Amino acid sequence: DSGVTQTPKHLITATGQRVTLRCSPRSGDLSVYWYQQSLDQGLQFLIQYYNGEERAKGNILERFSAQQFPDLHSELNLSSLELGDSALYFCASSVGIVGTDTQYFGPGTRLTVL
Amino acid sequence: GQQLNQSPQSMFIQEGEDVSMNCTSSSIFNTWLWYKQEPGEGPVLLIALYKAGELTSNGRLTAQFGITRKDSFLNISASIPSDVGIYFCAGQGGPNTGNQFYFGTGTSLTVIP
Repeated sequence: DSGVTQTPKHLITATGQRVTLRCSPRSGDLSVYWYQQSLDQGLQFLIQYYNGEERAKGNILERFSAQQFPDLHSELNLSSLELGDSALYFCASSVGIVGTDTQYFGPGTRLTVL
Repeated sequence: GQQLNQSPQSMFIQEGEDVSMNCTSSSIFNTWLWYKQEPGEGPVLLIALYKAGELTSNGRLTAQFGITRKDSFLNISASIPSDVGIYFCAGQGGPNTGNQFYFGTGTSLTVIP
């Protein structure tokens, strides 16, 4: 158990819908990272937040947005969902701002878009 | 988005053998990372490299940051069955890339007892 929690574990929805994935970092960690893992694209970095502020951005689609709240939990919002958005979404957390801090990954949310 | 070229794609080896995998990029990175992912779990950071030429070990694992800053390798010595999993490399660019992370396509390792 990494100490990072993600909910829900599984999510099945239809195209065009909007979903919110939630992540709670390890106690004391200020950085939260979001990743997408799909069979054909591999592991893709989406975005990083540090203490509520956006720190680094990957190839996150405009239909996707994220935020980190004052209690440090983070949410990833996916809208106008497409079949290709089906993937595992991981959240990770680390103590500091630097990406090389040990990142602890959550168990992931498996999103299926039908 | 950009992906790193990681090879080999998969490996089937006998327990006790050494393993070597590498990652190359067309871009220069400031940091190289190696992760292991087991089925149904998130990736776990194995080794982080911060400087060109750096050689770092973590138990039976050794990784090096290439001098050109465009490549890295990971070696696993005397493999054991619990080494099974998918190994990913990742590179982090500097501020001019938005401190973005790029991942390799993964090396699937199978260890035959």
